[in-house]
Amino acid sequence: AIQLTQSPSSLSASVGDRVTITCRASQAISNALAWYQQKPGKPLNLLMYDASTLKSGVPSRFSGSGSGTDFTLTISSLQPEDFATYYCQQFNSYPSFSFGPGTKVDIK
Amino acid sequence: EMQLVESGGGLVQPGGSLRLSCAASGVPFSGYFFTWARQAPGKELEWVANIKHDLSERNYADSVRGRFTISRDNAQNSLYLQMDSLRAEDTAVYYCGRGRGWIDHWGQGTLVTVSS
Repeated sequence: AIQLTQSPSSLSASVGDRVTITCRASQAISNALAWYQQKPGKPLNLLMYDASTLKSGVPSRFSGSGSGTDFTLTISSLQPEDFATYYCQQFNSYPSFSFGPGTKVDIK
Repeated sequence: EMQLVESGGGLVQPGGSLRLSCAASGVPFSGYFFTWARQAPGKELEWVANIKHDLSERNYADSVRGRFTISRDNAQNSLYLQMDSLRAEDTAVYYCGRGRGWIDHWGQGTLVTVSS
C-alpha cells in the first residue's frame, strides 16, 4: 500500500505569511495527488487535484506542485479563513486511495 | 451547493449488520462515481468501496470484500453501504463522497461502533 507522510504535522503562522506543506509518497504516484482543507465540524473540502490543478472557486493564493514522490501545497498569503487542517491524498492506486495524516495550521 | 448527508450508523455487536445511507442534494447525482471511505480512531482516512453511475462497476477494499455491498438509487439520489459480518476493526466514522479518484464533495460522516 502507498503510504503518505506530511510535514510538518502542525505549524503556527500569522495572517499574510507564506505557508508551505509537504507531502511525500512511499512510491512514485505520478501527479495523482489531491489536497483538502478541513475545518472543525465541516466536511473535507477539495482544494487541488492532479497535484497542481486548482478546483474551481478555490482562491488563487493556493498552489500545488510536485510529481513522483514529493509534493507541496503553498498558501502565498495566509488569510484568517485558512486556519484549518490540510490533508494530501493519493489516487494512483485506483480504485483504492490513501490519505496523509494531516497538517494543522493555527494562529501564531 | 451539493450536500451529502450520511445516516444509519450506530452501535452493533460483532457479527451484526448495518446499512448506511448517503443522501445527496444540490447537484446532479446520477452521472458520477460515488465512494465510501472510513476513518478509524487515530488512523488516516481509508477507501472502502466505490460504484459507477450505471452500476456496471463496483470496487471494494480487500478488508471488506465479501462482507460489505455498495449500491445506489439514482432516482432517489442515494448511496448505500450494506455492512454484514461486522468486526471490531470496522469501527470508524464512515464518509460518502462524490468521485473515484479525487473526491469533490464529502459528507460529514456517520459513526459505526462494533462492540459487545
